[in-house]
Amino acid sequence: AQTVTQSQPEMSVQEAETVTLSCTYDTSESDYYLFWYKQPPSRQMILVIRQEAYKQQNATENRFSVNFQKAAKSFSLKISDSQLGDAAMYFCAYRRSWNSGGSNYKLTFGKGTLLTVNP
Amino acid sequence: DTGVSQNPRHKITKRGQNVTFRCDPISEHNRLYWYRQTLGQGPEFLTYFQNEAQLEKSRLLSDRFSAERPKGSFSTLEIQRTEQGDSAMYLCASSLGTGVDGYTFGSGTRLTVV
Repeated sequence: AQTVTQSQPEMSVQEAETVTLSCTYDTSESDYYLFWYKQPPSRQMILVIRQEAYKQQNATENRFSVNFQKAAKSFSLKISDSQLGDAAMYFCAYRRSWNSGGSNYKLTFGKGTLLTVNP
Repeated sequence: DTGVSQNPRHKITKRGQNVTFRCDPISEHNRLYWYRQTLGQGPEFLTYFQNEAQLEKSRLLSDRFSAERPKGSFSTLEIQRTEQGDSAMYLCASSLGTGVDGYTFGSGTRLTVV
């Protein structure tokens, strides 16, 4: 079974600075998807960025980018120019490829990293 | 369409009572998922529907739990004879097709069993 580990329960960053959230995962598959979700307090979970394992290029969405190291099974999230609105719980998630059969639709989440942004 | 809607937002119930939650997915999404999130943990998969068919149930979903999605539209999650261990946030999500672009989550229903 796949597992996702987020080793940083809490992180803090100064406004306008850069922060990196770590995520490692365990899988025996070669094709899969990785996601970062943001969950603000008392609000719904929002997709921040996704990465397809067969693509070597790291995904980027505005101030958010990932460092995907497939061999190391590492998927970190970098937030540049941090803003107060970035404060939230961040979850890393794994999903099997659509063509891998079995339970290829459910997400496996890590325990999350609580990000605090200091003004 | 304003996204995935879940009702109620909060529910407090006495141990032993039955509760039902509702999820209205994005109308064109054919897949619907239920997850449970306890304090300090990431969401855990409970069950999944493709249209009206319930295709998988996690072992976390004991026989006290039942979910339905009549006509492939909204879904309900019922917990019978609630226990304190059922206290959690229950999240609903939906996706169009295989969901490789990610899910759209609702705001969740927070259940407190006293």
